[in-house]
Formats: sequence, C-alpha cells, structure tokens
Amino acid sequence: EAGVVQSPRYKIIEKKQPVAFWCNPISGHNTLYWYLQNLGQGPELLIRYENEEAVDDSQLPKDRFSAERLKGVDSTLKIQPAELGDSAVYLCASSTTDRGQTGELFFGEGSRLTVL
Amino acid sequence: GENVEQHPSTLSVQEGDSAVIKCTYSDSASNYFPWYKQELGKGPQLIIDIRSNVGEKKDQRIAVTLNKTAKHFSLHITETQPEDSAVYFCAASKGTGGFKTIFGAGTRLFVKA
Repeated sequence: EAGVVQSPRYKIIEKKQPVAFWCNPISGHNTLYWYLQNLGQGPELLIRYENEEAVDDSQLPKDRFSAERLKGVDSTLKIQPAELGDSAVYLCASSTTDRGQTGELFFGEGSRLTVL
Repeated sequence: GENVEQHPSTLSVQEGDSAVIKCTYSDSASNYFPWYKQELGKGPQLIIDIRSNVGEKKDQRIAVTLNKTAKHFSLHITETQPEDSAVYFCAASKGTGGFKTIFGAGTRLFVKA
C-alpha cells in the first residue's frame, strides 16, 4: 500500500514569492491534515479536512495561506506571499474514521521550505 | 485547548540501557495518546498508542503507561539499540479518526554504541 505522497520535498524561494505544496493521501483515507513543523518542535495543525470540507482551519494564517482539497482526495497548500518566518517543514497526514481505526495519523515525508 | 508538555528535550543513553520520556496533558477529555518516532528527513511514524481506558500497554521493547488522574503518560524503551536514535513525540487527542491531535515538542534520543 502506497503511503502519503508529498511534493516537492525541498523548495527554496525568495521572500514575497508564492509557493505551493501538494499531497496525495493514502487511498480511502477521508481525513487529511496539513501540519507545520518548525525546527526542533512538534507538528502543529494548520488545517484538517473531512473529505472535501475544511472542518478545522483555526490555525491557518488566512492572510497568506490557503488550502484546497478538490474531490476529497489530493490537497494543495499555498503560501502567497512567503515570508522569512515561513521557513519550516510542511507535513501532510491522512487518517480514516472507519470502525476499528485508532486515530493513527499517517504522515508523508514532508516538504521543506526555505525562504531567503 | 489541549496543551502537551514533554520532557526531556534531549536524552542520551548507552546501548542496552533503558530510556524514559514523560508527557503531561491539560484536557481531561483527551482519550487517545499516541507516540510517534521521527527519523531524520522523514515524517513521524506511530510506534505505540494507548487509550484512556487502559493503564499500560507493551509491545516488545516499548511500553507506555498512562495516569489519567495526574494527566501524564510515559514511554519506556528497554534494551535500547543505536537504531532507536531518533526524535520521539507524544501526543493527545479526543475520539477516533478525524480529531485534532496535539503534539509535544519532542525528545531527541541518542543511543551510544
């Protein structure tokens, strides 16, 4: 079974430029998450989708960040314009609410963003 | 909202020794406590979890204990090996599947051969 796939793995951009990250969750997983991980810190939730609906985006800085999950499968996270403080790893995760599932999150390898 | 604190931030042990990582949580409604291991350049991966109706759970060299009254839980790794070296995160959440999971800040474990 394929895991969560993210791209790009690495991205270096100048400040004020736009950037986008893409995530393909595990097949059949209805819940998709975007987490921000700063260096030396634990993941922090940015947004959670149930199918195509964003059910928790309270931590998403909406002035510059946007996300979408069309058709309830793949998702993109966009930053425009990027700031120096956005340098971090952006992790995508998925999970399923099927009966018997524990709530385990399955993470991708992350997209490391460096803003110069 | 939920807050999870994790200690220590760094832990160095000799191969074969035990390692213990401790976490506390603030929301008494949290009922699911997973532990994730993150290796360099990879995403976190679940290694063990425990639900609030259980006090202890063991899987080979890894065990987790939960004290609901005190709102703290711990990860115990016995007979540590160099491949156990990684960053470990505790977390707390409510419900199953699609509920918010709050992570601790992580513990970087070094196992010296």
